[in-house]
Amino acid sequence: AQSVTQLGSHVSVSEGALVLLRCNYSSSVPPYLFWYVQYPNQGLQLLLKYTTGATLVKGINGFEAEFKKSETSFHLTKPSAHMSDAAEYFCAVSELVTGGGNKLTFGTGTQLKVEL
Amino acid sequence: NAGVMQNPRHLVRRRGQEARLRCSPMKGHSHVYWYRQLPEEGLKFMVYLQKENIIDESGMPKERFSAEFPKEGPSILRIQQVVRGDSAAYFCASSPLNPGTGALFIHYGYTFGSGTRLTVV
Repeated sequence: AQSVTQLGSHVSVSEGALVLLRCNYSSSVPPYLFWYVQYPNQGLQLLLKYTTGATLVKGINGFEAEFKKSETSFHLTKPSAHMSDAAEYFCAVSELVTGGGNKLTFGTGTQLKVEL
Repeated sequence: NAGVMQNPRHLVRRRGQEARLRCSPMKGHSHVYWYRQLPEEGLKFMVYLQKENIIDESGMPKERFSAEFPKEGPSILRIQQVVRGDSAAYFCASSPLNPGTGALFIHYGYTFGSGTRLTVV
């Protein structure tokens, strides 16, 4: 079974500072990894995904993530935090299921707080 | 192009009542997934459906919960005889029919709806 661990349920940064949200995965097959963002009382929005190819993936809102197989990690970063980045972030791993779909297994989330 | 539509946004039920949550997938999407988010937790997979078929319900509680995706109309997640522990946010997501299989499968990121927040009092 696949699993995802997000280290740090709460992260606080100053506006303009580097954002680093950690995600480690466990998978018996090549992983397909995602980061989602959830604003209060809203659904999840896809930030970026890694499937194959380049290990540094760029997403929306200036976020990027690097797949490191040797470390089984897929950490999310942004060079300069903005107040609007305050939200909850979820890392997820995808696996095929019968019937032609895929099932996402999510981490428990990291709440990002951005301070002035 | 409307996204995934869920209704109602908020639902309050007394213990023992039934809750019906609706989800209309994005136009052109044939796969529907239901996830539950308990307070302070991540999303947990419940069920995956295609039109008129339940494909994977491994995350669905064995009792009181059921899901359907009829040929016409939205997908419905039904919770009978609700209890306080059912209070959660329920999210629906959809994805298109996958053109690939096996190694050619495309791992789509789903499109999520805004969720239904169920409160059982």
